[in-house]
Amino acid sequence: NAGVTQTPKFQVLKTGQSMTLQCAQDMNHNSMYWYRQDPGMGLRLIYYSASEGTTDKGEVPNGYNVSRLNKREFSLRLESAAPSQTSVYFCASTGLDGLTDTQYFGPGTRLTVL
Amino acid sequence: RKEVEQDPGPFNVPEGATVAFNCTYSNSASQSFFWYRQDCRKEPKLLMSVYSSGNEDGRFTAQLNRASQYISLLIRDSKLSDSATYLCVVNRAAGNKLTFGGGTRVLVKP
Repeated sequence: NAGVTQTPKFQVLKTGQSMTLQCAQDMNHNSMYWYRQDPGMGLRLIYYSASEGTTDKGEVPNGYNVSRLNKREFSLRLESAAPSQTSVYFCASTGLDGLTDTQYFGPGTRLTVL
Repeated sequence: RKEVEQDPGPFNVPEGATVAFNCTYSNSASQSFFWYRQDCRKEPKLLMSVYSSGNEDGRFTAQLNRASQYISLLIRDSKLSDSATYLCVVNRAAGNKLTFGGGTRVLVKP
């Protein structure tokens, strides 16, 4: 099992460019998440998907859109990148029991917006 | 006020020593609690869940104090490999949305 995979690992964008971060999990998990991590801020939830076909906003959704393509894949799109979106982005997934199950994280995407 | 607060550190710990640190949370409705470990430039990984009765996993002991709304992590006989950032994580009942603290950095030195 690969667990949670993310592509790309690194990306540099210019202000106004768009891109999609890809995430896939092979653990048959229902719930998937996108976080961003900034120095001193901890991880903040951008969007999550409790199950295939559903998505909901997290703490910092502005400037992002998501698609739960199928049970395995959950993508994050930046339509018009801004320097404030420079961050490390982590995708995560978890199984049925949200209160007790471990969240498994992908290796992260380091995004710089110039 | 942040929902989950941690001392950012760093805690400089001699190899073999014991180190302990706390995390406070503001939402009294929080139902589950975790410590995650994050190595430099890596993804977070679950270290241990924190139960009401307290729990131990080898050299690591976690405690929960609901009355004062804090959780703690104690590391005994520190190893160089324990150097990492330890993230306090809280889950409220409504949905499986975790709230992360900013992390406590621990540096174990020879």
